[in-house]
Amino acid sequence: EVHLVESGGDLVQPGGSLRLSCAASAFTFSTYWMTWVRQAPGKGLDWVASITPAGSDKYYVDSVRGRFTISRDNPTNSLYLQMNNLRVDDTAVYYCARVAPLGSGYVIDYWGQGTLVTVSS
Amino acid sequence: DIQMTQSPSTLSSSIGDRVTITCRASQSISSWLAWYQQKPGKAPNLLIYKASSLQSGVPSRFSGSGSGTEFTLTISSLQPDDFATYFCHQYQSYPYTFGQGTKLEIK
Repeated sequence: EVHLVESGGDLVQPGGSLRLSCAASAFTFSTYWMTWVRQAPGKGLDWVASITPAGSDKYYVDSVRGRFTISRDNPTNSLYLQMNNLRVDDTAVYYCARVAPLGSGYVIDYWGQGTLVTVSS
Repeated sequence: DIQMTQSPSTLSSSIGDRVTITCRASQSISSWLAWYQQKPGKAPNLLIYKASSLQSGVPSRFSGSGSGTEFTLTISSLQPDDFATYFCHQYQSYPYTFGQGTKLEIK
């Protein structure tokens, strides 16, 4: 069964930095797009960033572009999200998710359990 | 950006009821729509992709329909395990977006 485990969430002050990690197992990580999605407390889901299987192309929501960087290390089956200049409204549970080719499109099919990032002074 | 609007925001229903949740896109997304179920403190679970395709392992009481801008998720006969929050999600184009969610409660 596909397994995704996030880590790195913490309490950080506004303007600070954090690096989230996601350890993937039970599938061929290097062949899948991967994504980060976040959910603020009691709110809906917000797509943050996606990365191609080789890591050559990256896509971001406007609100994080220039502050967050998605990356991956295929030999170690790891996905990362470097978050700089954090703001209070970045407070959320951050989910690592796999994007699978289903029905001739690419859709998020598996999610990790999430890691909480709290930005507060 | 493509805005996704779900209705209703909250739905109170009973075991055995047939329920329908609607999702409307601000522009056409063809059939690039997914539905997820989320329970408190848990990650979302994929139910439906490409508007009407049932994800492997998902009970057949769940079904999806629609294309373009109007979509529905139907649960044919509510079971106790179905009380949760449901989100629609468009993956037609970046930035990917989600509906605000429909909380399905026990009446």
